[in-house]
Amino acid sequence: GAGVSQTPSNKVTEKGKYVELRCDPISGHTALYWYRQSLGQGPEFLIYFQGTGAADDSGLPNDRFFAVRPEGSVSTLKIQRTERGDSAVYLCASSSLPGHQTSGANVLTFGAGSRLTVL
Amino acid sequence: QKEVEQNSGPLSVPEGAIASLNCTYSDRGSQSFFWYRQYSGKSPELIMFIYSNGDKEDGRFTAQLNKASQYVSLLIRDSQPSDSATYLCAVKFYNQGGKLIFGQGTELSVKP
Repeated sequence: GAGVSQTPSNKVTEKGKYVELRCDPISGHTALYWYRQSLGQGPEFLIYFQGTGAADDSGLPNDRFFAVRPEGSVSTLKIQRTERGDSAVYLCASSSLPGHQTSGANVLTFGAGSRLTVL
Repeated sequence: QKEVEQNSGPLSVPEGAIASLNCTYSDRGSQSFFWYRQYSGKSPELIMFIYSNGDKEDGRFTAQLNKASQYVSLLIRDSQPSDSATYLCAVKFYNQGGKLIFGQGTELSVKP
């Protein structure tokens, strides 16, 4: 697609429920990133994929969080047993090159985000 | 965890003035540096990136990088009310793949 698409744009759920957030990157972009942003803070890195594999999942806060990208395109961030502290905007970004080049092509382009509210 | 620090502001400048936004980072092994702009309720959008010491200009924007001092800044000349937003500094650290580490952002307000 022309840009990074994220669904749903808003999700309200109850504490303890399971949530899935979807990201459809820019067509042809091999790298995909998930970030979480709380009010008044910068984006916090969660995980990034190079192709189908998770290249770095060091930002996932605990084992309730999991992400997949089975065909190297669309990715799903899954949150089990949601807690009120999980409330945030979840941002997805993609880039066209792996991360080791100092090139403008490594620029991350963000989607509009999924706002998650856990009651 | 590598760190990126920004003054959260708010920074208030009059229309037409130069706005100066600053960012420091913790690791000399940093590779490249990015400035993103984020309007309230919107996602971050790239303004510019820099990876060599010195200045890089793009229109009204100039990024300045000093790796020895671990400092990167963004200057906005002839500031406009439409520049009012949060400015995010992000760093790609060497040997950490493609991920960017973001600062907390500086809120800029340009007063007419």
